[in-house]
Amino acid sequence: GQQVMQIPQYQHVQEGEDFTTYCNSSTTLSNIQWYKQRPGGHPVFLIQLVKSGEVKKQKRLTFQFGEAKKNSSLHITATQTTDVGTYFCAGPTSGTYKYIFGTGTRLKVLA
Amino acid sequence: DVKVTQSSRYLVKRTGEKVFLECVQDMDHENMFWYRQDPGLGLRLIYFSYDVKMKEKGDIPEGYSVSREKKERFSLILESASTNQTSMYLCASSLSGFEAVGTEAFFGQGTRLTVV
Repeated sequence: GQQVMQIPQYQHVQEGEDFTTYCNSSTTLSNIQWYKQRPGGHPVFLIQLVKSGEVKKQKRLTFQFGEAKKNSSLHITATQTTDVGTYFCAGPTSGTYKYIFGTGTRLKVLA
Repeated sequence: DVKVTQSSRYLVKRTGEKVFLECVQDMDHENMFWYRQDPGLGLRLIYFSYDVKMKEKGDIPEGYSVSREKKERFSLILESASTNQTSMYLCASSLSGFEAVGTEAFFGQGTRLTVV
């Protein structure tokens, strides 16, 4: 079946350092979504990318969708302690209602 | 704001018990999902439903069943709970449509189920 892998699984950074997580799907995604889950919380939607090669920014966060619509990345510039959490990518397999989530990247920011 | 409510935050059940996890959403969403979350494995899709009485298996449906008799309610049933079903269970809902903006998933607060 379809798999969505994220790397790295864990990342510890010093506050102020940059952070990137990569998402790779075994099949084409009609769109890619990113979610953040704070410790003890539930996933919360951050952004959706639909077009091949699309790049979107939210303040210090930059999201990219690959040309083949099979990979994506999230880059955080100058991390802050509020960025702590697990970041998931997700998307419905083309032509289906199935939302498949990535394995997640857990970010810890050291003050 | 969309609200997705799960019936219990924490649940402890015995092996062999039949367990019901309930989820209600208040935004008239067509799609509803059940995931389980385990460390290092991300969120794995158990079942989803795209309409009342409609359901489809996700990636790990074994040992589970679901019921969607009303649009706002999606129930996950563990027919005979086992210790390997100890996990965090997350319900989500979304609008229909594959590529339309605004089809993101909204999650409930999760139910941490322990089977002893």
